[in-house]
Amino acid sequence: DAGITQSPRHKVTETGTPVTLRCHQTENHRYMYWYRQDPGHGLRLIHYSYGVKDTDKGEVSDGYSVSRSKTEDFLLTLESATSSQTSVYFCAISADRANYGYTFGSGTRLTVV
Amino acid sequence: QKEVEQNSGPLSVPEGAIASLNCTYSDRGSQSFFWYRQYSGKSPELIMSIYSNGDKEDGRFTAQLNKASQYVSLLIRDSQPSDSATYLCAVNIFGNEKLTFGTGTRLTIIP
Repeated sequence: DAGITQSPRHKVTETGTPVTLRCHQTENHRYMYWYRQDPGHGLRLIHYSYGVKDTDKGEVSDGYSVSRSKTEDFLLTLESATSSQTSVYFCAISADRANYGYTFGSGTRLTVV
Repeated sequence: QKEVEQNSGPLSVPEGAIASLNCTYSDRGSQSFFWYRQYSGKSPELIMSIYSNGDKEDGRFTAQLNKASQYVSLLIRDSQPSDSATYLCAVNIFGNEKLTFGTGTRLTIIP
């Protein structure tokens, strides 16, 4: 997916455990985003980053934290996974404040049991 | 009122016909408009962007923007079964660092 990779692609985890999803880009883009996609809700923004160590909350940030220590990596952590966090998670990158749209990663399907 | 609205469908169109997908938005500060295609189980893929009023054509796809009426549409000519997917409308509001997405329209092309 054009220089953006997500890992893992699939994960099953137990309620109450911490989970970290990774997004890695080779495009040197400033902006990185984490979305979740659920039936009936579409894509909802969790957190985004506008530079190394610069992050901001989205509309559904409760229960999630992020870190960006390098331009190329953006980590999403579910601090204590719950069944309501079962979803497909997409990372996206953008060069210029989303003026030219995003490029999405392939997604991570997370199941919390 | 949702910021970006789309008819969820499903929209069924015969093969070879024109598929018309519509999107309305609420913020008059919106400046950039995008259409993404998402196949089942895959990630969204950018297929069209439009920034000024009027039509923009790319192959079988035409995006139309009318800022006065606050709508953007996507026309797919000579629809093919491979066009069957969910189409997401996204909008960038001036000064924002992120896109706002509609919930998508599911399109099915009937052979």
